[in-house]
Amino acid sequence: TQLLEQSPQFLSIQEGENLTVYCNSSSVFSSLQWYRQEPGEGPVLLVTVVTGGEVKKLKRLTFQFGDARKDSSLHITAAQPGDTGLYLCAGDRTGTASKLTFGTGTRLQVTL
Amino acid sequence: GAVVSQHPSRVICKSGTSVKIECRSLDFQATTMFWYRQFPKKSLMLMATSNEGSKATYEQGVEKDKFLINHASLTLSTLTVTSAHPEDSSFYICSARDWNRGALLAEAFFGQGTRLTVV
Repeated sequence: TQLLEQSPQFLSIQEGENLTVYCNSSSVFSSLQWYRQEPGEGPVLLVTVVTGGEVKKLKRLTFQFGDARKDSSLHITAAQPGDTGLYLCAGDRTGTASKLTFGTGTRLQVTL
Repeated sequence: GAVVSQHPSRVICKSGTSVKIECRSLDFQATTMFWYRQFPKKSLMLMATSNEGSKATYEQGVEKDKFLINHASLTLSTLTVTSAHPEDSSFYICSARDWNRGALLAEAFFGQGTRLTVV
């Protein structure tokens, strides 16, 4: 059973378009992190959200943590080819010995 | 920022041999490190938690005798794939968290990954 379900699984868009990636769970997380991973490399942290309802912005990326801390979203404005990659959400659950639970992943392809 | 270094980045080995992968935290101490396996175009699957000075904790379905983990110091964990077979071919990634920044902001840093190919 995958605790964190991401949607969509794959997204192919043109440069300049907007998109939203969702990360949903029935479990509550004490914090949630978003990563981007490029082929052949390890994931790189984009943001950590810890408070229900929190919104964080990182240039053209907007991250939101759900009020109940069970879900999160990532919105990208005016996507660029450099945004191409695998986006992963990962959550901290209390009492899980600091190990992260990773989402199913969303593969984004941005073309010119 | 904190860095986790993984070595080697790529390895090709013959079926039946063993391969060791190293994971080092370069500028912070990590009492625990994590080993993941990633299949093509899929998310990360946690294999085990490496505990400094004690036995690793394996996730359900992961063979302890196949994937040997040693965490001998606060900055080094190793994963040895024993008697490797072609089905063990995969991308293996290690991770460590820097808890010095606080419990809720313990960023997880990942190694560069190791592409293992068993022929």
